[in-house]
Amino acid sequence: DTEVTQTPKHLVMGMTNKKSLKCEQHMGHRAMYWYKQKAKKPPELMFVYSYEKLSINESVPSRFSPECPNSSLLNLHLHALQPEDSALYLCASSQAGTETQYFGPGTRLLVL
Amino acid sequence: AQSVAQPEDQVNVAEGNPLTVKCTYSVSGNPYLFWYVQYPNRGLQFLLKYITGDNLVKGSYGFEAEFNKSQTSFHLKKPSALVSDSALYFCAVRAYSGAGSYQLTFGKGTKLSVIP
Repeated sequence: DTEVTQTPKHLVMGMTNKKSLKCEQHMGHRAMYWYKQKAKKPPELMFVYSYEKLSINESVPSRFSPECPNSSLLNLHLHALQPEDSALYLCASSQAGTETQYFGPGTRLLVL
Repeated sequence: AQSVAQPEDQVNVAEGNPLTVKCTYSVSGNPYLFWYVQYPNRGLQFLLKYITGDNLVKGSYGFEAEFNKSQTSFHLKKPSALVSDSALYFCAVRAYSGAGSYQLTFGKGTKLSVIP
């Protein structure tokens, strides 16, 4: 089973709201990733967690706050977002960061 | 720096004809190369990868890719295209980011349209 699940599928939020995106995998993978993807563009890496520790932060604004509560779960906390943050947010996981990344279906975020 | 290039924004092919989606790479050392497909409003699906071994790699849904070291290419191919293959295809290369972490660097993507 190579399934990564993400909730919610769609999210609409105002610029003053606080919301969270959730990602879950049960493949025993120890590396998890957040990507941001604009329409018809490649995914852009935001964060990497390796063995539940943040290992890469690609200079993402502090209004995005990742959290890895355990090896199966990855959250992305959102606060005071801007309309330009509207995008598809993808989660992925892989074995210890060295092998194939498997992606979830994404959360479509609209910031009003 | 590791990078991949997809020279075509769009590829059109008739149903039943062979298809090729092109990718070239620039890496130091041995390349770890991947192909992903993305259907509208969906996440990326892994198709195949090259790490080492045979230059012809077989993947999901009848796709294959040919690794060519002399031409630094990793083109995606399928002998007979289906309308359902219409999607956005990404080539990617794995790059070491430090602290024991790796990341994927993606090409810009190629939109494949299979015409009935």
